Amino acid sequence: EEQLLESGGGLVQPGGSLRLSCAASGFIFSTYGMSWVRQAPGKGLEWVSTISGTGGSTHYADSVKGRFTILRDNSKNTLYLQMNSLRAEDTAIYYCAKDVYYDSSGFWGQGTLVTVSS
Amino acid sequence: DIQMTQSPSSLSASAGDRVTITCRASQNIITYLNWYQQKPGKAPNLLIYAASSLQSGVPSRFSGSGSGTDFALTISSLQPEDFATYYCQQSYGTPRTFGQGTKVEIK
Repeated sequence: EEQLLESGGGLVQPGGSLRLSCAASGFIFSTYGMSWVRQAPGKGLEWVSTISGTGGSTHYADSVKGRFTILRDNSKNTLYLQMNSLRAEDTAIYYCAKDVYYDSSGFWGQGTLVTVSS
Repeated sequence: DIQMTQSPSSLSASAGDRVTITCRASQNIITYLNWYQQKPGKAPNLLIYAASSLQSGVPSRFSGSGSGTDFALTISSLQPEDFATYYCQQSYGTPRTFGQGTKVEIK
């Protein structure tokens, strides 16, 4: 059974850093691109970042470019999102997702809440 | 960036109704269009990929159509468990933009 389990969310002050993790199981992790998608409270979905299966290709939303870094460790079947210089507008539930056909997000974790506030 | 515009933003319908949600892209995305369902407090769930391909395990009352810039998600006979928010997303290029969502509520 496929599983994606996010962790690392919490309360952080503006300007602070946080590292999210997404532990994958039940599929061959290294053969799939992975993405982070976020949802601010009461708002819609926002794509954040995507990384290829090898980790050699990454893409970012303009809103996080230069502040967030997507990483993966295929030996540990884990996806990461390193978030620096956090702002109040980064407050959201962060979901990791497995990319499937046509780069759709075919399987999602349960999400982890990040709150940026003083 | 490619902009995705969904309509309507919300609708009220009864169980058994046929419901159609539309999504328009700001440029040609061929068929790189996906549809997701999200229920309150839950992660989104992929329904349709490549504009019209049904994701495994999704009931056949859901269907997708369109190409180029205009797309639609149709629920042929609305069931109680279908009351949720629906999002389109283009995966033709990055950023992989989502529509603003359509909330389907009980009439």
